[in-house]
Formats: sequence, C-alpha cells, structure tokens
Amino acid sequence: EAQVTQNPRYLITVTGKKLTVTCSQNMNHEYMSWYRQDPGLGLRQIYYSMNVEVTDKGDVPEGYKVSRKEKRNFPLILESPSPNQTSLYFCASTRTGITEAFFGQGTRLTVV
Amino acid sequence: GESVGLHLPTLSVQEGDNSIINCAYSNSASDYFIWYKQESGKGPQFIIDIRSNMDKRQGQRVTVLLNKTVKHLSLQIAATQPGDSAVYFCAENPPLEKLTFGTGTRLTIIP
Repeated sequence: EAQVTQNPRYLITVTGKKLTVTCSQNMNHEYMSWYRQDPGLGLRQIYYSMNVEVTDKGDVPEGYKVSRKEKRNFPLILESPSPNQTSLYFCASTRTGITEAFFGQGTRLTVV
Repeated sequence: GESVGLHLPTLSVQEGDNSIINCAYSNSASDYFIWYKQESGKGPQFIIDIRSNMDKRQGQRVTVLLNKTVKHLSLQIAATQPGDSAVYFCAENPPLEKLTFGTGTRLTIIP
C-alpha cells in the first residue's frame, strides 16, 4: 500500500529538548516536504526536498532542520523546541512534476 | 507570497443535499489545482484535481469547476453523506513553485 508514515503520532516535550519526527514514504517519490497546521492558518510549508541531499526552506523554516540522506526518509529536527512550535505537523511526498501530494497521518507536538 | 482560499470557515448541509465549497486563488499563473479532504485526526487526502486547460472535471460524486477569468475554484459534492463531514482545502500550484493551501472549509452534515 502506498503510504507516508510519520512517527510519533503524538509527542509532548519540554522546551529545549531536541527531538526528531521521522517521515518515510514507499512510493519512490523525489519530492518531500514538511508542513505545520495551525488553527486559522492552514498548512504552511516548513522545508522541502527535491531529491536526495537537496533541501530548501519553505515559508516557516525558523527553528527547524531537515535532512535527506535517502530518498524514502525525510526527518524533521527541532534542535531546541519552543512552545510556539506546538502544532500539528504533516509530512508529504510528491512524484516529480505537477501531481498531488500524499500526506502522512500527522504528528501532534506539544512543547511545554 | 500568494494567498489562496477565501473560504467560508464553515458550511452546514442537509444529508442528501448537494454541497458546494468555494475557493478563490490569486496567482493567475497557477496551472494545477487540487482539492483535499481532511477528516478529524487524519492527514489531508486527495479528492480531485484539475489542470488549467480544463474548466470542469468529474469524479465519483464530486465535481471540480475552474473559472480562470475570476480565479475561482469550486468543489461540488453530490448527495452529501455523513462521511463527507471534514475540512476541505483547495491548493494551487504555479509552475515551478510549491503547492499553496487555503485555510479550509469545515463541512458539517445535518442528519
């Protein structure tokens, strides 16, 4: 089954404690991206990757890092989480070209 | 950046009636549009897409209409069912740029 898998689904952490949210896709898609979803703001892109070892900032990259060492994986790293990063996060993958994005199930992060 | 989606935040529809969800986009260069459905606790799921060389596309119980003159997109759901309750997003894709999402419309089905 074609899917995008994120882990964990839920995470509560404290300010400043580094964390990583993993994302994996099994569709051999080149393009992967991370979004955060906040009430009234919709989906905002954090980072994206056009292919292995190629990453770039989206609309709201501050406080986040990503890496793309393998085609299937695109982890999101918060080196020093802060409460304003409390949000619902989605990973998505897309086949190169103009096609729809496939989303993971989401990770609800709370930073206290 | 460009904005997408002057949605109504909520829409309530009687079960069995047709639903129409509207979306305005601002980038006239956008040539690909998608509608997503997001159920509670889940990620957005693709419903239907349309390219700018078309003005209408039909799927199973859903139809997307594109009016490039006024930069307007709509999603029509026929015979709305309880399972259609969700937030619906439109997204636009200008050439060589990223997908931009609207803020969404919450569709509630009245039994």
